[in-house]
Amino acid sequence: SAVISQKPSRDICQRGTSLTIQCQVDSQVTMMFWYRQQPGQSLTLIATANQGSEATYESGFVIDKFPISRPNLTFSTLTVSNMSPEDSSIYLCSVELQGNTGELFFGEGSRLTVL
Amino acid sequence: AQTVTQSQPEMSVQEAETVTLSCTYDTSENNYYLFWYKQPPSRQMILVIRQEAYKQQNATENRFSVNFQKAAKSFSLKISDSQLGDTAMYFCAFMKHFGDDKIIFGKGTRLHILP
Repeated sequence: SAVISQKPSRDICQRGTSLTIQCQVDSQVTMMFWYRQQPGQSLTLIATANQGSEATYESGFVIDKFPISRPNLTFSTLTVSNMSPEDSSIYLCSVELQGNTGELFFGEGSRLTVL
Repeated sequence: AQTVTQSQPEMSVQEAETVTLSCTYDTSENNYYLFWYKQPPSRQMILVIRQEAYKQQNATENRFSVNFQKAAKSFSLKISDSQLGDTAMYFCAFMKHFGDDKIIFGKGTRLHILP
């Protein structure tokens, strides 16, 4: 298994500002994923962040809005830029310890509220 | 494109009863994985059970079992002897067997176990 720590756990932000979410894993992993979970909704994949390469973004998500860093095998950040109330959501970091198994381990999420 | 549909937004059952959560999916793939993930009120998502499409035998994990009907593209979760700790959001999910490790989640079923 994996232990994933996310910071901040929650924050209230002003429109137009940016916030960076950190994800720390207790073991080295290749595959890291960032998901968004809007209130009462399912999880939507934002991007896949693999160490040593640029993040791969899903349709509807762009690097300028959600820049991602993956400096090593245990850490990643997701920035939500120029926030609007529509960005209010829970952002989840997840990892897959073994490739092609689908067994994801999740952090507890970062709940952002944009005023 | 793959889709995952959960038709029951919310369910309630008495403790110790058996409950079945429904899931259907659509794909043109022949090899894939199906999952049920649980998200308790604390928000950390965990994997409950996994089914490989090429296996005819239904997966079981203690009180959790699935009814996998490949031809009907149906994948239901049965929880036997339900416990208060089973109260959570349950997400059905899909992943191609050989692909980019992206998991597609359904909209979820909120399950309440009543004392």
